[in-house]
Amino acid sequence: DAMVIQNPRYQVTQFGKPVTLSCSQTLNHNVMYWYQQKSSQAPKLLFHYYDKDFNNEADTPDNFQSRRPNTSFCFLDIRSPGLGDAAMYLCATSSKAGGHYNEQFFGPGTRLTVL
Amino acid sequence: GDSVTQMEGPVTLSEEAFLTINCTYTATGYPSLFWYVQYPGEGLQLLLKATKADDKGSNKGFEATYRKETTSFHLEKGSVQVSDSAVYFCALRGIQGAQKLVFGQGTRLTINP
Repeated sequence: DAMVIQNPRYQVTQFGKPVTLSCSQTLNHNVMYWYQQKSSQAPKLLFHYYDKDFNNEADTPDNFQSRRPNTSFCFLDIRSPGLGDAAMYLCATSSKAGGHYNEQFFGPGTRLTVL
Repeated sequence: GDSVTQMEGPVTLSEEAFLTINCTYTATGYPSLFWYVQYPGEGLQLLLKATKADDKGSNKGFEATYRKETTSFHLEKGSVQVSDSAVYFCALRGIQGAQKLVFGQGTRLTINP
């Protein structure tokens, strides 16, 4: 089945220690998104890629970076995690054609714990 | 900016009860509206959607109607099951920031047998 895969499902890191979360997709979608969902809150978009074009949300902290080496993979790098970065990180994909964005498909998420 | 306001939870119902989860939005123009469901330990799944005024989205017995006049998209189900226990998110995709979903706070629903 075509899907969005996130690894690992659970990640523990130490305060200030860089961490990378991974997302892959078999949908061949040209758009990939990273959302942050803190406990009991709504998911919040951090950034997205349209093909290789990176689009950062205005209020995303500099501590968060992303890489998309090819269509299938996208990584979220947190350079110096703080306690406030503990959250569920959701990857999503969609297709864009003719200026129109289609439905977003979400992965299962990676729950990040910062000690 | 665009925003979504959702009925606060948690909501607890008995099996076969009628469900309504209220959702209202603020946005310019005619956004697309969505309900997503998140089961424990899983990501978000699209439940239903509506892309223009008066459209009714439906799936798995759930329904929601896009009401432009009241800027609402309330989720309803006539007879809930234990398996419907999850967190439900109302969301919009605006005409301006068309790449971004704006979510409500989520409503945790628990159905007791």
